[in-house]
Amino acid sequence: NAGVTQTPKFQVLKTGQSMTLQCAQDMNHEYMSWYRQDPGMGLRLIHYSVGAGITDQGEVPNGYNVSRSTTEDFPLRLLSAAPSQTSVYFCASTQQGANTDTQYFGPGTRLTVL
Amino acid sequence: AQSVAQPEDQVNVAEGNPLTVKCTYSVSGNPYLFWYVQYPNRGLQFLLKYITGDNLVKGSYGFEAEFNKSQTSFHLKKPSALVSDSALYFCAVRDTRYSSASKIIFGSGTRLSIRP
Repeated sequence: NAGVTQTPKFQVLKTGQSMTLQCAQDMNHEYMSWYRQDPGMGLRLIHYSVGAGITDQGEVPNGYNVSRSTTEDFPLRLLSAAPSQTSVYFCASTQQGANTDTQYFGPGTRLTVL
Repeated sequence: AQSVAQPEDQVNVAEGNPLTVKCTYSVSGNPYLFWYVQYPNRGLQFLLKYITGDNLVKGSYGFEAEFNKSQTSFHLKKPSALVSDSALYFCAVRDTRYSSASKIIFGSGTRLSIRP
């Protein structure tokens, strides 16, 4: 299994540009999440999905859109990038169940918005 | 609302000494508690979790954590630190009231530095 994969690893955008961060998992996990990591603030939940066709907002959803058309893929879209969105973005997937809840993280995407 | 606090930004320990990384939490229901580690330029890796049962939980790389309900704490410990333990450590909590496993809240992280 490849686990959780993210592309690209690095990206530089200009203010106002749009882009999509890709995330895929091959573990057949129902739950997937997007986090952003900023110094001193830990990981903050942006959006999450409990299964194909179902998404919901996390702590910091503004400026980001998601969709979940398949179990495997959970892309994160920035519609109009802003410097405040400069961060490291992590995708994670989780297997459903009370005795699991272990999150598997991708390697991250480092995004800089100029 | 659920929250988790890691009161120390950095912990410095000499190799071979015991280490403790602190975590306190706040949830309305019963907590699921987790520790994750992040090495430079990598994603987070799972270390251990408390769901129910024994308050002392053992995890990867010789780490353990003690769940203390009265103090709402879940401190990470290791009897003898290694230089290779140097990394960023995150505590996380999920409130069992929520049916979604994805609603996990992370602390701000503690940087552990082990000096030779």
